[in-house]
Amino acid sequence: DAKTTQPNSMESNEEEPVHLPCNHSTISGTDYIHWYRQLPSQGPEYVIHGLTSNVNNRMASLAIAEDRKSSTLILHRATLRDAAVYYCIPYIIQGAQKLVFGQGTRLTINP
Amino acid sequence: NAGVTQTPKFRVLKTGQSMTLLCAQDMNHEYMYWYRQDPGMGLRLIHYSVGEGTTAKGEVPDGYNVSRLKKQNFLLGLESAAPSQTSVYFCASSYRGIRNTEAFFGQGTRLTVV
Repeated sequence: DAKTTQPNSMESNEEEPVHLPCNHSTISGTDYIHWYRQLPSQGPEYVIHGLTSNVNNRMASLAIAEDRKSSTLILHRATLRDAAVYYCIPYIIQGAQKLVFGQGTRLTINP
Repeated sequence: NAGVTQTPKFRVLKTGQSMTLLCAQDMNHEYMYWYRQDPGMGLRLIHYSVGEGTTAKGEVPDGYNVSRLKKQNFLLGLESAAPSQTSVYFCASSYRGIRNTEAFFGQGTRLTVV
């Protein structure tokens, strides 16, 4: 079975960069790596996705290892609003159109 | 532009009662999804739709029915609610298939079945 490994929790300080790791050693060559986050009492929110090369958007950057067995979500300057559970989703069950949410990493931001 | 709107936000049902959860999106998206989230279980896909008039089963479809009569609406029905259906339900939509695009989620419906 496909397996994703993320730390259960991480902590960082406001205005500092945050690097959230994800291991996905059994990813296929055509699976995009998606990241979503879920703020308390809200629905999941899309953050970023990519296939092979690194990706940037207004929210974050995604660094993908050359062998694609791991990726890192980078928040360049964390704010209190970034405190959330972050989900790394490297597997899309295409036929079922399913995002496979694991347990994610709970990120705490200290003022 | 409201995005994805779920109605109602909270509901308490008695065992055996029925209800319908409404999801509406104003982004002209083709694909819509219903997920449930339980503590310690992550989100699980119940049903999804790839266009108006179509529906398909997801990971945990038993006890639920869905309809997509209009492109902007996706309804989730519980015909005879059971305590095991106590959960937070999220609707989502996407412009195309989920492989290479982003999904937009609603704020959720917290359902308690007593």
